[in-house]
Amino acid sequence: DGGITQSPKYLFRKEGQNVTLSCEQNLNHDAMYWYRQDPGQGLRLIYYSQIVNDFQKGDIAEGYSVSREKKESFPLTVTSAQKNPTAFYLCASTQLGEGQGFNQPQHFGDGTRLSIL
Amino acid sequence: AQKITQTQPGMFVQEKEAVTLDCTYDTSDQSYGLFWYKQPSSGEMIFLIYQGSYDEQNATEGRYSLNFQKARKSANLVISASQLGDSAMYFCAMTAPYNFNKFYFGSGTKLNVKP
Repeated sequence: DGGITQSPKYLFRKEGQNVTLSCEQNLNHDAMYWYRQDPGQGLRLIYYSQIVNDFQKGDIAEGYSVSREKKESFPLTVTSAQKNPTAFYLCASTQLGEGQGFNQPQHFGDGTRLSIL
Repeated sequence: AQKITQTQPGMFVQEKEAVTLDCTYDTSDQSYGLFWYKQPSSGEMIFLIYQGSYDEQNATEGRYSLNFQKARKSANLVISASQLGDSAMYFCAMTAPYNFNKFYFGSGTKLNVKP
């Protein structure tokens, strides 16, 4: 079955440590996204990428980094510079293409819950 | 910049009744897409329904329908015959056209269905 796989489901970070959240999709989608969700809140965009080796900052990119070396993979690193990393992180993907610019839903993974030790 | 507003933080509905979740949006673009997602307590985001800005008919998907009023910039979700499994957070979202399909999400509405 096609879909998006996020791992791990739960992650704990120590002070001063970088951690990496995995996101893999087998939907052959062009674009991938990372969102942060705080309790009782909506989704805020961290980074997004529409092609391999290219990505753009979202609204809250500080303290985070990404890479897009393969079409199917878009890992997110939460660096020690992110002082309040405790949140629920969601990865999404969607298909881009001519004539499909704004009618394609984003497909989401099941999320990773990150906490501070 | 696009903006989505959901003014109902929480709502209750009796099982088998219909409920309307409000969503208003702000954009200067003529072409855009509006989406509704359901997020159960487990956290996954489930796509429910889509409405394009040029669609003349209101979108429907099973028990979900979208009450689209373009002049008022509103895109309310109507759930008919509520079920206990409909209890969840509901998010309205909008795409940013010609901008890599960036989505803007509202703050969500927590729906509780009472037996």
